[in-house]
Amino acid sequence: SQQGEEDPQALSIQEGENATMNCSYKTSINNLQWYRQNSGRGLVHLILIRSNEREKHSGRLRVTLDTSKKSSSLLITASRAADTASYFCATYSGGSNYKLTFGKGTLLTVNP
Amino acid sequence: GAVVSQHPSWVICKSGTSVKIECRSLDFQATTMFWYRQFPKQSLMLMATSNEGSKATYEQGVEKDKFLINHASLTLSTLTVTSAHPEDSSFYICSARAGGPNTEAFFGQGTRLTVV
Repeated sequence: SQQGEEDPQALSIQEGENATMNCSYKTSINNLQWYRQNSGRGLVHLILIRSNEREKHSGRLRVTLDTSKKSSSLLITASRAADTASYFCATYSGGSNYKLTFGKGTLLTVNP
Repeated sequence: GAVVSQHPSWVICKSGTSVKIECRSLDFQATTMFWYRQFPKQSLMLMATSNEGSKATYEQGVEKDKFLINHASLTLSTLTVTSAHPEDSSFYICSARAGGPNTEAFFGQGTRLTVV
């Protein structure tokens, strides 16, 4: 079953603008991760934020986590056409296998 | 980052035949591997989790006799789609993790299976 729900499902912006994607989840988590997927390709890990962290940065990426609201956001600043891809949040839930389950994703299109 | 190699990247097979997909961690030992299925424009659906040397744990609704998973070594897991049918056509992706839940999972490049 899907844990995360991304919002919006699709986002189209101009190069240079910032893109914000949100993710909500339902159960308690160990960590939340954001991934990127180019069409028909595998996933690229972007950033991992632990449940005791509130904000994390990596280059042009900024991730926030609000465990009280069970939500996270991914901000991409100064977007580029090459950022066009689908972005997924994924959470580690409980259990012995610590399953990584994915949200529905946001399709980001950055127009040159 | 670590590399996970998935092979083949695409395969076309006839209905009723079986197809094996390999997932290898090239530069680390993967204690846990995950197999996902993805339909066009949809998210990844976890099919099963495998730990080296033990039986895979399948998600609800996934037929374990249909999708055979073997994790015989710390660097190799295989998914065999048995007696494939057109509805099994999909994008299959594996991921591998070296450590516990607070470690990154690395993904293969995926296998596009088309059953004709």
